[in-house]
Amino acid sequence: GENVEQHPSTLSVQEGDSAVIKCTYSDSASNYFPWYKQELGKRPQLIIDIRSNVGEKKDQRIAVTLNKTAKHFSLHITETQPEDSAVYFCAAIDGGFKTIFGAGTRLFVKA
Amino acid sequence: KAGVTQTPRYLIKTRGQQVTLSCSPISGHRSVSWYQQTPGQGLQFLFEYFSETQRNKGNFPGRFSGRQFSNSRSEMNVSTLELGDSALYLCASSPGVVAGEDTQYFGPGTRLTVL
Repeated sequence: GENVEQHPSTLSVQEGDSAVIKCTYSDSASNYFPWYKQELGKRPQLIIDIRSNVGEKKDQRIAVTLNKTAKHFSLHITETQPEDSAVYFCAAIDGGFKTIFGAGTRLFVKA
Repeated sequence: KAGVTQTPRYLIKTRGQQVTLSCSPISGHRSVSWYQQTPGQGLQFLFEYFSETQRNKGNFPGRFSGRQFSNSRSEMNVSTLELGDSALYLCASSPGVVAGEDTQYFGPGTRLTVL
């Protein structure tokens, strides 16, 4: 079955710097890769997603890239702000209806 | 549309008891998935229901079970509770129709504490 690995587990950046979170997946049938942000005490919320027919997608300060050949996808946050501090989860859909999540990255943005 | 709702939000039980959690999906969504979230383990997939049938299953023991009703509402049951079952239980709903690109939306979770 699908397996998703996520790195790093913890990331600390200075406000205004960029943050990059990387994920790899195992199932070549996976074609959809969402990213979720979970603030402390709240539910995970979808922030951006990418499908396999696209190599990159941007939404303001957030971008996601996908390399299907290498089975890698990454989240890039530019000009980080304190409110970006949260846990971020990458995920892959297995070609059916099962979503497999990475272990999460705790991002700290220092003011 | 109203979001995914879960009840109750908090539960305290003792070892050996059983518990039932409820999840109401977004209107029109037919798939409901359940996840266990613990501090060091991320989001562990329990199972997914679609049209009252379990369509996918994770690697949890048989003490964890679920069902889905004709209105797509879902319940999860944990029998013979153990201390290690203490966790945040999240459900997520999705349309469940197009394979390989089903976006999930999460409920607020039920925080279960087993004493």
